[in-house]
Amino acid sequence: GAVVSQHPSRVICKSGTSVKIECRSLDFQATTMFWYRQFPKQSLMLMATSNEGSKATYEQGVEKDKFLINHASLTLSTLTVTSAHPEDSSFYICSAIGGTPSYEQYFGPGTRLTVT
Amino acid sequence: KNEVEQSPQNLTAQEGEFITINCSYSVGISALHWLQQHPGGGIVSLFMLSSGKKKHGRLIATINIQEKHSSLHITASHPRDSAVYICAVDRGAQKLVFGQGTRLTINP
Repeated sequence: GAVVSQHPSRVICKSGTSVKIECRSLDFQATTMFWYRQFPKQSLMLMATSNEGSKATYEQGVEKDKFLINHASLTLSTLTVTSAHPEDSSFYICSAIGGTPSYEQYFGPGTRLTVT
Repeated sequence: KNEVEQSPQNLTAQEGEFITINCSYSVGISALHWLQQHPGGGIVSLFMLSSGKKKHGRLIATINIQEKHSSLHITASHPRDSAVYICAVDRGAQKLVFGQGTRLTINP
């Protein structure tokens, strides 16, 4: 099946700094990528939808200036957590639509962010 | 009330048992997904279905659109099936709404 990678898998940063997480579709072109967040023992929640070459669409309650999303190519989307705070500590997962079958949604392995 | 409810939240069984995990939803959907999340956090898509039944190896997924209900069955369960199983509904444009997950533990 299609493969989606994320980098880094784990990151620890200090409060106030920014962190960039990459999501790549390795063997297919992803027309759309999604970013999710999962707090401990909770469901995944959709943060934003990212389409190549256009601005991301954010879900209600997600600050677009805090969570910057760039989908510069058909194989790469980045999520930058700006001025991170401890409450931003979470598991961030991306998914991508594309490949075969084209309606399938492929998930990345996730990035665990800890803000100290 | 959550739009997607799963039951049970936790399930422990012995190796070989037949497992059923249920998912009920309260909104209109275009498709329903069953996902598997392992302890490391990575997610694997097991099924996407919009009607009827699908089977893949020891896994079977069914959906009843009229009753807004889906089930995931595992036959001849094995300890390696231990994971969190998540039901997610597609409300359109592939935007998923997730259930809270069912933590399955299969003991040898």
